[in-house]
Amino acid sequence: EVQLVESGGGLVKPGGSLRLSCAASGFTFSDAWMSWVRQAPGKGLEWVGRIKRKTDAGTADYAAPVKGRFTISRDDSENTVFLQMNSLKTEDTAVYYCTTESYDYWGQGTLVTVSS
Amino acid sequence: DVVMTQSPLSLPVTLGQPASISCRSSQSLVYSDGNTYLYWFQQRPGQSPRRLIYKVSNRDSGVPDRFSGSGSGTDFTLKISRVEAEDVGVYYCMQGTHWRTFGGGTKVEIK
Repeated sequence: EVQLVESGGGLVKPGGSLRLSCAASGFTFSDAWMSWVRQAPGKGLEWVGRIKRKTDAGTADYAAPVKGRFTISRDDSENTVFLQMNSLKTEDTAVYYCTTESYDYWGQGTLVTVSS
Repeated sequence: DVVMTQSPLSLPVTLGQPASISCRSSQSLVYSDGNTYLYWFQQRPGQSPRRLIYKVSNRDSGVPDRFSGSGSGTDFTLKISRVEAEDVGVYYCMQGTHWRTFGGGTKVEIK
């Protein structure tokens, strides 16, 4: 059974940093491209970014609102993908979901609140 | 950026009646490989999104056959042939041809 479990969310002040993790199981993680999608309270879904598998160069791409502030990385030995969030703004407040790049499997989400 | 426009915003439906959601993109979603990367997701209250349809019309495993997707180019539709109580939630389209963009969502509720 495929499982994606996010962790690391919490309350952080504007300008602060947070690192989210997503632990994957039930599939060959090293073969998968992985994505992050977020959802602000009461709002719709917003694509954040994705990371390719190492055999496709392992590079990451980002949505414009987070480019230069967020970094996606992966540790295939731990079957985990990370989202490093720096220079956080109040508008980054959202539930952050980890998903496969085919969007067929999603985690339960982790809430990030940016507030003073 | 590709803009995805869904309508209606809210869709009250009588149980057992059909429902239809429209999704329009600002550019053609036909990719260079000939595929059209248009997805539909269901998000029930308090739950994570769930993929229902991929590449316009392919239903995911376990998705009831009352759900169907159609369309081409820039105009796409998700249809529910007979709405059931468990179909309540918000439905999103997403394009995966030009980066990724979600539609604003359509809330399906029972009249």
